[in-house]
Amino acid sequence: KNQVEQSPQSLIILEGKNCTLQCNYTVSPFSNLRWYKQDTGRGPVSLTIMTFSENTKSNGRYTATLDADTKQSSLHITASQLSDSASYICVVSARTYGQNFVFGPGTRLSVLP
Amino acid sequence: NAGVTQTPKFQVLKTGQSMTLQCAQDMNHEYMSWYRQDPGMGLRLIHYSVGAGITDQGEVPNGYNVSRSTTEDFPLRLLSAAPSQTSVYFCASGQKGGRTEAFFGQGTRLTVV
Repeated sequence: KNQVEQSPQSLIILEGKNCTLQCNYTVSPFSNLRWYKQDTGRGPVSLTIMTFSENTKSNGRYTATLDADTKQSSLHITASQLSDSASYICVVSARTYGQNFVFGPGTRLSVLP
Repeated sequence: NAGVTQTPKFQVLKTGQSMTLQCAQDMNHEYMSWYRQDPGMGLRLIHYSVGAGITDQGEVPNGYNVSRSTTEDFPLRLLSAAPSQTSVYFCASGQKGGRTEAFFGQGTRLTVV
């Protein structure tokens, strides 16, 4: 069964600190992996999209990595800001599904002053 | 830039009532989809459409109907609401390709009592 798991479930850090969120997937065949940011009460917003051949992708202070061999991805947030408080969702697309994604449950990040 | 617009934002229904959640996009996207988001779980696909006049079922279609008479609109109908359909519903749109960006609406929070 296609699945996406994320850890930790929640995380609290102080403003200015770095953090890394983890994603493991068992989606086959694999097309691409995305990280989304979802603010409370809002829809998900895309941060990065990575295909099989891409190991790293950055978007400002967000850097995503992908290891297609071990089926793992991580999202690293540098110099966190209060506005980074949100849920971060790992999403995997299987080639046969087009844009029909498999979503992880998300990691809830709280950045405290 | 409107993007993906969902209405209403909040709704309370009594068991057995029917209603339609509206979704409209102004980006001329071929692909549109509906998801539900429940606590502790990833978003799950309800129905999707690859173009006007074409719809198909996702992972959790029971109790929901859709139609796609125009490129812009993709309404989701609840035929006879049940408490198990209490959830947050998201509409998304994008180009048909599997590696293209997906844009989400702000969500509709539905409570069935």
